[in-house]
Amino acid sequence: EPEVTQTPSHQVTQMGQEVILRCVPISNHLYFYWYRQILGQKVEFLVSFYNNEISEKSEIFDDQFSVERPDGSNFTLKIRSTKLEDSAMYFCASSESRQGGYEQYFGPGTRLTVT
Amino acid sequence: GDSVTQMEGPVTLSEEAFLTINCTYTATGYPSLFWYVQYPGEGLQLLLKATKADDKGSNKGFEATYRKETTSFHLEKGSVQVSDSAVYFCALSEGATSGTYKYIFGTGTRLKVLA
Repeated sequence: EPEVTQTPSHQVTQMGQEVILRCVPISNHLYFYWYRQILGQKVEFLVSFYNNEISEKSEIFDDQFSVERPDGSNFTLKIRSTKLEDSAMYFCASSESRQGGYEQYFGPGTRLTVT
Repeated sequence: GDSVTQMEGPVTLSEEAFLTINCTYTATGYPSLFWYVQYPGEGLQLLLKATKADDKGSNKGFEATYRKETTSFHLEKGSVQVSDSAVYFCALSEGATSGTYKYIFGTGTRLKVLA
């Protein structure tokens, strides 16, 4: 069964460093998302992406964040200068359609630890 | 704004016990509702969904009914197994009003089933 994959599974970085989290969505999906979950808190929406541009972004997704689909398969989230509060589990998701009844398929997540 | 409220965990049950995990929502439009499950070390997997009022989603013995009058989508299972131990997330997606279909998640409820 097709699945969303994410790399790395765990990333440790120092404050102020840049990180890139990678995702390979399901191949025929057109809509892509990033969510994050700070330990013990809710899963929060960060950004949605369609047709090579951002569809919507949350207040969390400030100028330190960017997303890119550099080729036909990868979808990346970059944090330019990490802060301690960026430590969280980051989930990538994709969907075939953005209609309400279509589910999003999630990857296993990347745990980001900023020290 | 839209929101999802889930019962606090953890929930600890004996095998074959009846499970209910409460979920209520607030939404301006007519959301689709989802239950996702996360097993240890894995991503979020869709468990079931309902896209309109009075719909019942079901999968693997789990059920949830979309109740518009009580704005609820409670998850139930008649007889839990040890293998059901996981974290369960309630989520909504509402785009007809906002134009986007991001998920809004509850906090997640950890279920532990004892043999």
